[in-house]
Amino acid sequence: DIVMTQTPLSLSVTPGQPASISCKSSQSLLHSDGKTYLYWYLQKPGQPPQLLIYEVSNRFSGVPDRFSGSGSGTDFTLKISRVEAEDVGVYYCMQSIQLPPGPTFGQGTKLEIK
Amino acid sequence: EVQLVESGGGLVQPGGSLRLSCAASGFTFSDHYMDWVRQAPGKGLEWVGRTRNKANSYTTEYAASVKGRFTISRDDSKNSLYLQMNSLKTEDTAVYYCARVGRYDIDYWGQGTLVTVSS
Repeated sequence: DIVMTQTPLSLSVTPGQPASISCKSSQSLLHSDGKTYLYWYLQKPGQPPQLLIYEVSNRFSGVPDRFSGSGSGTDFTLKISRVEAEDVGVYYCMQSIQLPPGPTFGQGTKLEIK
Repeated sequence: EVQLVESGGGLVQPGGSLRLSCAASGFTFSDHYMDWVRQAPGKGLEWVGRTRNKANSYTTEYAASVKGRFTISRDDSKNSLYLQMNSLKTEDTAVYYCARVGRYDIDYWGQGTLVTVSS
């Protein structure tokens, strides 16, 4: 199975400052169809996850433009240009290039506000 | 508005069975693949399995950790997804989320239902 490794596992950010989360996969997520199957989710406290970014760099419907995704192959990054209080929660990367065995998630990165 | 509402969670003894349901609304359920994803208390997310749509023969896929014990089914006439869980183990204790697979993979999640496996 593909292993997803996120760093850091936690970060504390002052409102208005940027934040960055790294996600590395044990295998390339570039499919023969030309798409890269890497996604980012945010799980706010007490809520289910919500999709932020699909296929590396595309913001899902309603996601603020302060969120951006980048990367290729096995190395990916989620950036928040200016953190707001509502951004607290746990961020997960997910890959879904192979089924079976199925999607796998990173360990999660907990973002808190200073 | 996409809505997914899980039910059926509860306390069950090791070796027991439980059936979870997910009621879907706000989209054409029959068009979509559907997933179950779980989250053990204080832990990360683990994909459980998927059912494809009628056009893809309702085929299913499972995580190795549940294969042979869990069965995913659906009833498109009722806009409902199910997860039959047998031979439950303590490590199956988790919140179970129903999730829609859209154009961009897992795009909407339900609020989840808690399953506790304990004697």
